[in-house]
Amino acid sequence: AQSVSQHNHHVILSEAASLELGCNYSYGGTVNLFWYVQYPGQHLQLLLKYFSGDPLVKGIKGFEAEFIKSKFSFNLRKPSVQWSDTAEYFCAVNKGGSYIPTFGRGTSLIVHP
Amino acid sequence: DVKVTQSSRYLVKRTGEKVFLECVQDMDHENMFWYRQDPGLGLRLIYFSYDVKMKEKGDIPEGYSVSREKKERFSLILESASTNQTSMYLCASSFPSGSAPREQYFGPGTRLTVT
Repeated sequence: AQSVSQHNHHVILSEAASLELGCNYSYGGTVNLFWYVQYPGQHLQLLLKYFSGDPLVKGIKGFEAEFIKSKFSFNLRKPSVQWSDTAEYFCAVNKGGSYIPTFGRGTSLIVHP
Repeated sequence: DVKVTQSSRYLVKRTGEKVFLECVQDMDHENMFWYRQDPGLGLRLIYFSYDVKMKEKGDIPEGYSVSREKKERFSLILESASTNQTSMYLCASSFPSGSAPREQYFGPGTRLTVT
């Protein structure tokens, strides 16, 4: 069965620090990759997605992610975090052609002002 | 803008009660999903539906059923609520997969407490 691993369950940073959240998946074929974010008290929303083409994907609010096929990874990055980035982040993977994602367990990010 | 709404934000029910959670989307999406979200466990798929009256079990269907009589509405039913079903329930919808990746659109969630 396909699995999605998010290595960091809790991350605490100060404002202006750089962020990298890891995401690895186990499926070997074509995949669609997503990062979702859930701000406190709000619904889950899409941060960015990868389907094909340039493996470096840019999303909203200055986030980006890089798909490295050889490492089965889709890590999320932001060069300088803000207090408003405090949220829970979920990586999700669709096998190619499927509309059913497998979600990682999430990473809780706290940014101190 | 896609909107997915859920009937209640907070719900408290007693053990053994039958519970209905309603979800409505306004973007004519074919696919609809029910998840439960628990701390440290992420999102786990309960049921999904790819068309009216069609349903498929997800990873944790035990103790739940669903109904989809209209395209825009997908209901989750707890036949006899138990305390281990206390959780946050999220509804989502999406277009079918095709040539482009189909992200999901989520509702605000229903926090269900079973006492």
